[in-house]
Amino acid sequence: DQQVKQNSPSLSVQEGRISILNCDYTNSMFDYFLWYKKYPAEGPTFLISISSIKDKNEDGRFTVFLNKSAKHLSLHIVPSQPGDSAVYFCAARLGTQGGSEKLVFGKGTKLTVNP
Amino acid sequence: DADVTQTPRNRITKTGKRIMLECSQTKGHDRMYWYRQDPGLGLQLIYYSFDVKDINKGEISDGYSVSRQAQAKFSLSLESAIPNQTALYFCATGDLLETQYFGPGTRLLVL
Repeated sequence: DQQVKQNSPSLSVQEGRISILNCDYTNSMFDYFLWYKKYPAEGPTFLISISSIKDKNEDGRFTVFLNKSAKHLSLHIVPSQPGDSAVYFCAARLGTQGGSEKLVFGKGTKLTVNP
Repeated sequence: DADVTQTPRNRITKTGKRIMLECSQTKGHDRMYWYRQDPGLGLQLIYYSFDVKDINKGEISDGYSVSRQAQAKFSLSLESAIPNQTALYFCATGDLLETQYFGPGTRLLVL
């Protein structure tokens, strides 16, 4: 049962435009959400996160929105740059009860930003 | 120098062979993790360790074992490799679960 879903395996946008990457989740016990970016031949790198008690977090060109009622979050990149071309993973953290913290990852969305 | 290093970066082995993947970190974190990524799939947690004496199974631990030799070292072993363990393996470290730092990955092919 996939608890974190990224339904779009790929997304292509023009440089300068907005990129919107979406993520849905099913487990209401997730208390923290993260986005990671991965370039080929490299490990994922942390990009931005949001606590479940917030609905928006912004860091430069990157903004993450959380809609708890819809169990949906999205990553907005404005303006998109060719260097943003990568695979983006959505991840969610299960709560800390019992010390069993762990991250659950989506399958990733490959973003291509065309010059 | 990289904060998280993995050796080897690439490995080809045969079915039934024992293989060890090693991970070292210089960030001084207590928490270390091993993940597996298959094509088209997300990262799946194999094992994690919150300190040297604390080892926990993840989602897909069958067929794998780990050893936390020191705070900075966390190795993953495949006791008897099988072809469906062909994947990209990532080690990660972190102080807070919210932010994990990943190694560059080890690409493993089991023939």
